[in-house]
Amino acid sequence: ILNVEQSPQSLHVQEGDSTNFTCSFPSSNFYALHWYRWETAKSPEALFVMTLNGDEKKKGRISATLNTKEGYSYLYIKGSQPEDSATYLCAFDSGAGSYQLTFGKGTKLSVIP
Amino acid sequence: DAGVIQSPRHEVTEMGQEVTLRCKPISGHNSLFWYRQTMMRGLELLIYFNNNVPIDDSGMPEDRFSAKMPNASFSTLKIQPSEPRDSAVYFCASSSGGELFFGEGSRLTVL
Repeated sequence: ILNVEQSPQSLHVQEGDSTNFTCSFPSSNFYALHWYRWETAKSPEALFVMTLNGDEKKKGRISATLNTKEGYSYLYIKGSQPEDSATYLCAFDSGAGSYQLTFGKGTKLSVIP
Repeated sequence: DAGVIQSPRHEVTEMGQEVTLRCKPISGHNSLFWYRQTMMRGLELLIYFNNNVPIDDSGMPEDRFSAKMPNASFSTLKIQPSEPRDSAVYFCASSSGGELFFGEGSRLTVL
């Protein structure tokens, strides 16, 4: 069983604050690391799919970094807004093309207006 | 595109009854996944199809669970007989490579 850990489990921040959270995954047999954003009562939506060590991806105020050698990825949100409130899931893909995605349990972010 | 479509959105049934969940993947996607989401275990992969063929069903909990994909545009997940511990949200997702596209889920409650 692959161990994909996310921390913290939940997070409350004030509107305008920047925040970040962590996904740790096995450093061997790495193929890709996915980040998904999951709003309550909706379906998870992909934010990033990262494959290269040192990769950094950005979408608006959200960015992510990847360290495959040490097995972690950070997700950053700059200037949090209430609409950023969601659960952020990471998923580790260990098999090229086989889609053996193992999801973490997520970090639930609440942005307080 | 309409996205991944799942039905029913909500199902309440009694223990012992058969439950069938349905999924229509995004047209052109050749991979389809069934996931189960619970508070305790998070998102767990139940089964994965590629080009309508089951590739990995090692996540299917037990023989009461079965899944089929008779064609590229339709899949079912069946639980027979259902038990209270099967209560969860069941997600279908499809992909053509890379990111997954999820449906809105089917929330199952087994009384």
